[in-house]
Amino acid sequence: DGGITQSPKYLFRKEGQNVTLSCEQNLNHDAMYWYRQDPGQGLRLIYYSQIVNDFQKGDIAEGYSVSREKKESFPLTVTSAQKNPTAFYLCASSIPRNTIYFGEGSWLTVV
Amino acid sequence: EDQVTQSPEALRLQEGESSSLNCSYTVSGLRGLFWYRQDPGKGPEFLFTLYSAGEEKEKERLKATLTKKESFLHITAPKPEDSATYLCAVLVFYNNNDMRFGAGTRLTVKP
Repeated sequence: DGGITQSPKYLFRKEGQNVTLSCEQNLNHDAMYWYRQDPGQGLRLIYYSQIVNDFQKGDIAEGYSVSREKKESFPLTVTSAQKNPTAFYLCASSIPRNTIYFGEGSWLTVV
Repeated sequence: EDQVTQSPEALRLQEGESSSLNCSYTVSGLRGLFWYRQDPGKGPEFLFTLYSAGEEKEKERLKATLTKKESFLHITAPKPEDSATYLCAVLVFYNNNDMRFGAGTRLTVKP
């Protein structure tokens, strides 16, 4: 089945620790995105990538990093510099300038 | 600044009680307006794309319409399984890789 796979579904981060969320898509989409969702707020863009080996900061990139070494993969690292990382993280992909499709999301909690 | 505002924040309906959700936007150069459905703890599921004022799209009990300043998601004779959060998003011509999302309307349909 074509789709976007995020893992893990639930992740716990200790203070000072970096964690990485995985995102893989088999839709052959060039563009990929990471969004953060907090209760009562709209989705906010963290990073996006239009093409392999290229990515751009979104509205809330501080404390996050990404890589795009393969078309299918766009992992997000939440670094210790992100002071309030507890949220629901959504990976998405699209044909550029077209409908965005989402994965099932990953919950990150600070312990 | 581009803004997307959804109302109401929450809506409770009895089964069979039709209603509408609103998405108003202030953007320059609308490329497309998108509606998504999101169930708790899951990624948003794409419903509709509208491109120009006057356009309408239908799917089962849902119908989306678009004017120059807002979009409506009409729900006819809703069922409990229609309970979800409905998200609206806009894509603008001058920013090819970023959708602006509203905060969503949380719909509850009671049997």
